[in-house]
Amino acid sequence: DAGVTQSPTHLIKTRGQQVTLRCSPKSGHDTVSWYQQALGQGPQFIFQYYEEEERQRGNFPDRFSGHQFPNYSSELNVNALLLGDSALYLCASSSPRTGDYEQYFGPGTRLTVT
Amino acid sequence: AQSVTQPDIHITVSEGASLELRCNYSYGATPYLFWYVQSPGQGLQLLLKYFSGDTLVQGIKGFEAEFKRSQSSFNLRKPSVHWSDAAEYFCAVDTAISNFGNEKLTFGTGTRLTIIP
Repeated sequence: DAGVTQSPTHLIKTRGQQVTLRCSPKSGHDTVSWYQQALGQGPQFIFQYYEEEERQRGNFPDRFSGHQFPNYSSELNVNALLLGDSALYLCASSSPRTGDYEQYFGPGTRLTVT
Repeated sequence: AQSVTQPDIHITVSEGASLELRCNYSYGATPYLFWYVQSPGQGLQLLLKYFSGDTLVQGIKGFEAEFKRSQSSFNLRKPSVHWSDAAEYFCAVDTAISNFGNEKLTFGTGTRLTIIP
C-alpha cells in the first residue's frame, strides 16, 4: 500500500521564479493538506483540498496556490519566489469519509531559493 | 487562535533512561492533541493522539502521553529510550475535527532528542 508520495525530492529555484510541487495521497484518501516547514521550525499549515476545492487556508499570501485533480492528487504552486520561501514542503492526506482523522505525511520536497 | 509551546528546544538523554518531552497548548476548549516524530530527511510520523476519554494514551514505539486539562499540557513519555529514538518531536493541536477530518494542525517548534550511549 503506497503511502503519500511527493515530487520532486529537492528543487533549487531563483528569486522571482515560479515552482510547482506535486503530491499523491495515500491510497483511499481524498483530502490533501500542504504545510511549509522552515528550518528549525514546526510545519505551518498552508491550505487543504477536498473534492477539488480549497477548504481551509492558513496565513499565506496569494502567491501560494494549489489544485486538486479528480484522482485526488494535488499540486502546490508558488509564484514570485522569495528567499524566505526556502523550506521543506510537506503534503499530508487523510480520509474523512471513513472517519480516519489521522493525517499521513509524505517525505516532503526541499525547496531552496537563491 | 490556538498555539502550542514546546519549551525544550534540545534534550539529551542516555540510552535506557526515561524521557519526558513537554508540550503546552493554548485553547479555550478541549483540543485534539497529537505527537509526531520526524527523523532526518523524513516526513512526519504520528506517535499518538488524544481526542477524548482516557487521558493517558498509548502510542507506537513504546511512547505514551498524558493530557492534563488543568495544566494545558500533553507531555510525551517513554520509560526507556533507544538510540533509534533520536529525532525531532513535534506536538500539534487541532481544534476542529469534522467530517472532513483534521481541519488544520498547529505545530509547536519541536524538540530535538539526542541519545548518548
